[in-house]
Amino acid sequence: TQLLEQSPQFLSIQEGENLTVYCNSSSVFSSLQWYRQEPGEGPVLLVTVVTGGEVKKLKRLTFQFGDARKDSSLHITAAQPGDTGLYLCAGEGETSYDKVIFGPGTSLSVIP
Amino acid sequence: DAGITQSPRHKVTETGTPVTLRCHQTENHRYMYWYRQDPGHGLRLIHYSYGVKDTDKGEVSDGYSVSRSKTEDFLLTLESATSSQTSVYFCAISVGYRETQYFGPGTRLLVL
Repeated sequence: TQLLEQSPQFLSIQEGENLTVYCNSSSVFSSLQWYRQEPGEGPVLLVTVVTGGEVKKLKRLTFQFGDARKDSSLHITAAQPGDTGLYLCAGEGETSYDKVIFGPGTSLSVIP
Repeated sequence: DAGITQSPRHKVTETGTPVTLRCHQTENHRYMYWYRQDPGHGLRLIHYSYGVKDTDKGEVSDGYSVSRSKTEDFLLTLESATSSQTSVYFCAISVGYRETQYFGPGTRLLVL
């Protein structure tokens, strides 16, 4: 059974600080997605990474896919209150029979 | 806006009663999914559909049934609700089976 773990589970930081959240598995994924979810809403896709070692940047957010395609990280530079939310990673297995699985999420709170 | 609506948005019901949640899309996408989201578990797939009258089970399908009689509507039914089914339910759509998923706003269900 494929599992995705995320750390930390909760993170509370001051505005302007940098942070990194992690998504780890013992399984290999063909691609990995990061979503952000705000309270009372559904998850919204931020990025998809598909190549081992790939780095993608989205303004102040930097996403990296591990070389072995088993893990990923999300780094936020100079966090702002608008970054507050639940960050979810989701992995697609290597075979066409594998369903997308989601990690439990990292809840981020950025304090003004 | 991915053109997905869910109804109702909130529901309180009693143990043993039937409950039906509706997901409606305006995008004419082939794939539709039902997830539940619980603290510490992330999103878990209940059932999904790959076309009208074509459905399959997900990770946590026990106690749930689905129907899809039209492309735009995907119904989730709890035949006899239990307290363990208290959760937030999300519908999602995608163009293809392993393509990016777009989520609805969610339905918060409380079973007393």
